[in-house]
Amino acid sequence: GAVVSQHPSRVICKSGTSVKIECRSLDFQATTMFWYRQFPKKSLMLMATSNEGSKATYEQGVEKDKFLINHASLTLSTLTVTSAHPEDSSFYICSARGGVGVGGSPLHFGNGTRLTVT
Amino acid sequence: GNSVTQMEGPVTLSEEAFLTINCTYTATGYPSLFWYVQYPGEGLQLLLKATKADDKGSNKGFEATYRKETTSFHLEKGSVQVSDSAVYFCALSDSGGAQKLVFGQGTRLTINP
Repeated sequence: GAVVSQHPSRVICKSGTSVKIECRSLDFQATTMFWYRQFPKKSLMLMATSNEGSKATYEQGVEKDKFLINHASLTLSTLTVTSAHPEDSSFYICSARGGVGVGGSPLHFGNGTRLTVT
Repeated sequence: GNSVTQMEGPVTLSEEAFLTINCTYTATGYPSLFWYVQYPGEGLQLLLKATKADDKGSNKGFEATYRKETTSFHLEKGSVQVSDSAVYFCALSDSGGAQKLVFGQGTRLTINP
């Protein structure tokens, strides 16, 4: 089946630094990728939708200057958390969808990245 | 806006027990409905889905029926196994072109032998 690789799985960084998270589709071309944030004991919250070659669409309340998303190729999207602060500590998950589906195509998810900002 | 509400966990059952995890939704239009499962240390995986009213999704012994009249998509399994221990997420995708997923808060299920 389709595989989405997310890297790193865990990262600890100091407050004020930036962290980049990569999301790769390994055996299909992902025209659309989604970035989610998962808070403890809460649901996944969609942060942004990125389409290859165009600017990401951010959900309401998500700071686009803080969470930079780049989808430069059909197999790679990156999320950069800039000037990270402890409140940015969370579990970030990417998902990818290839082609056009009917009636709600299932997404393929990465294993997530646990970010801890000290 | 669209939203999904799941029964709160954690849920702990004995092996071979009957499982129900409730899920209700609020949506405009005609969403598709999904159940995703997250096993320990792994990413989310699609468990089953239904794309229109009265559809029943099924996989690995799990079933869920898309009930438009009650806006529900409850997950059921007749006899759970220890290997079913995981976090289960109910989700819907909008009927627009973006097809973004909206998730419930997840329900942690633990099955004891």
